[in-house]
Amino acid sequence: NAGVTQTPKFQVLKTGQSMTLQCAQDMNHEYMSWYRQDPGMGLRLIHYSVGAGITDQGEVPNGYNVSRSTTEDFPLRLLSAAPSQTSVYFCASRNRVSGNTIYFGEGSWLTVV
Amino acid sequence: AQTVTQSQPEMSVQEAETVTLSCTYDTSESDYYLFWYKQPPSRQMILVIRQEAYKQQNATENRFSVNFQKAAKSFSLKISDSQLGDAAMYFCAYRGTGANSKLTFGKGITLSVRP
Repeated sequence: NAGVTQTPKFQVLKTGQSMTLQCAQDMNHEYMSWYRQDPGMGLRLIHYSVGAGITDQGEVPNGYNVSRSTTEDFPLRLLSAAPSQTSVYFCASRNRVSGNTIYFGEGSWLTVV
Repeated sequence: AQTVTQSQPEMSVQEAETVTLSCTYDTSESDYYLFWYKQPPSRQMILVIRQEAYKQQNATENRFSVNFQKAAKSFSLKISDSQLGDAAMYFCAYRGTGANSKLTFGKGITLSVRP
């Protein structure tokens, strides 16, 4: 049982480049979300989705796009990377209705130079 | 919007002693979930304990227990018999019970354990 899988685990980007962080879960969870973690800031919500075809913005959505074409996948796209997007990114999922337990991926370390 | 406050950025405890990590939150909802997560240097997010607001009894998981004060909107974590492996960052988090409710985190506290 894979749970929540994030790829890549590490990535270095140049300013202005684009990339996609992948997130996949095999638990048939409707609710998926992306967070970024920065020193002294905790985890902040970027975007979330309550089901296939439905996405919404979180606390810090600027510079990021998401889509949810399937229940399993929830990719996060950086359109034009900036040094301020250097962070650790976490994907999480849960059952939308009964989800007391939130499952996290192992994190993706992104450095923008 | 709900907010979660962890006012102490760092704490230290002697091995085998007890330490309490503080957390307060603000919400207008009557029912919700509160969580403590542990994040070791590997950055893995590990659920330590969960409390459901409608339950009067404080949650306990082995050496970890909470002091949930609903009226005061306080949710502290007590770690008994501290071990070296308890050294990590700890996050307090809040989620409403609605199907689409978001999980909101505090800024975290770094706990060090002295041998």
